[in-house]
Amino acid sequence: SYELTQPPSVSVSPGQTARITCSGDALPKQYAYWYQQKPGQAPVLVIYKDSERPSGIPERFSGSSSGTTVTLTISGVQAEDEADYYCQSADSSGLIKVFGGGTKLTVL
Amino acid sequence: EVQLVESGGGLVQPGRSLRLSCAASGFTFDDYAMHWVRQAPGKGLEWVSGISWNSGSIGYADSVKGRFTISRDNAKNSLYLQMNSLRAEDTALYYCAKDQEPSIVGATGLDYWGQGTLVTVSS
Repeated sequence: SYELTQPPSVSVSPGQTARITCSGDALPKQYAYWYQQKPGQAPVLVIYKDSERPSGIPERFSGSSSGTTVTLTISGVQAEDEADYYCQSADSSGLIKVFGGGTKLTVL
Repeated sequence: EVQLVESGGGLVQPGRSLRLSCAASGFTFDDYAMHWVRQAPGKGLEWVSGISWNSGSIGYADSVKGRFTISRDNAKNSLYLQMNSLRAEDTALYYCAKDQEPSIVGATGLDYWGQGTLVTVSS
């Protein structure tokens, strides 16, 4: 079955830039999406179609794509950004959605 | 305001069945595909199933195929998940989520989520 691979954890100091990667063979053909999930809360969509930002999401959140890897970048990280982040896409058929394993962002 | 409210979770014995419901409001329900996503305690997100706006396209994760059935009633603005032959590994918080698109074909995003309903499979 298709898999998306994320690092389990990323740590940054406040004000620095955090980069979270997500790798998958079908990513050159399928869009990627990013979700933020804080403890006890439902996920929130922060990036769609690789690099688009929904209304209400701070500009410090951005997304990019290169080959089989997509990247979520958080510039000027704030304490409130500490959360789990998940990438999501679809397999080559487009019918099966897949989430990455998630990355815990720690703000030191 | 978009609202998704799940119900129907609870404690169920292995091998038994359960039906989850999701009541949607605040948007034109039959314009969008809908999904179920689950999260086992302390684990990551797992897509379970999705259904297009007119029920014409349906997809399931391999882990639930043949046991779970997704459906929707556009007249009632409701989404359902019939879960049969439940296993311990189905224990999770089940989220209802709205798609950004009417079709489930292709990688699409989930822009609104409910708060989830907890399903516990245990004897």
